[in-house]
Amino acid sequence: DTEVTQTPKHLVMGMTNKKSLKCEQHMGHRAMYWYKQKAKKPPELMFVYSYEKLSINESVPSRFSPECPNSSLLNLHLHALQPEDSALYLCASSQRTGPYNEQFFGPGTRLTVL
Amino acid sequence: QKEVEQNSGPLSVPEGAIASLNCTYSDRVSQSFFWYRQYSGKSPELIMSIYSNGDKEDGRFTAQLNKASQYVSLLIRDSQPSDSATYLCAVNRAVTGGGNKLTFGTGTQLKVEL
Repeated sequence: DTEVTQTPKHLVMGMTNKKSLKCEQHMGHRAMYWYKQKAKKPPELMFVYSYEKLSINESVPSRFSPECPNSSLLNLHLHALQPEDSALYLCASSQRTGPYNEQFFGPGTRLTVL
Repeated sequence: QKEVEQNSGPLSVPEGAIASLNCTYSDRVSQSFFWYRQYSGKSPELIMSIYSNGDKEDGRFTAQLNKASQYVSLLIRDSQPSDSATYLCAVNRAVTGGGNKLTFGTGTQLKVEL
């Protein structure tokens, strides 16, 4: 199994809602990532988890709250989002966080904030 | 100066030709380099990774790395219409406080014409 899965595929939420994005991998990878990608822009790193511990937070606003319940799962909790947060949210995983580790992306969740 | 620079294109090549995609990076201590393909509306898909100076071949794809010139390229031989996509160059480097970060270029749009 070489797949990263993400749910839901699409999400529409209001600015007062609370929702969560879910990511799962069964490749035994111990590093997991959240990226945000706006239209016609490259992915931008948000968070990195290494062995279920948060190792990098790229100064992401607190309305985005990551969680890594176990080595296979990664969540991104959303609350009080703004319309400018609408984007494709990508999860990725790699064996470890070192430089010679390839990252594999899930299909993404397309988020629209009304 | 951007950390990772690519010509945005579009780069148009006829079917069967060689497509040459280029990327430069600013951080001399970058250790690993990756090429991703991204179809419109989809997530990035890893095509090649390269860590040492020289060429690395995988099927119709050849990645080339020149660390002295801080230059990475991707050659696609016998280009097919299905190769039409945006190609993202990504560079992995260490970050302050520990860990590594993948930084993407803005991508080059490739169009393979019949």
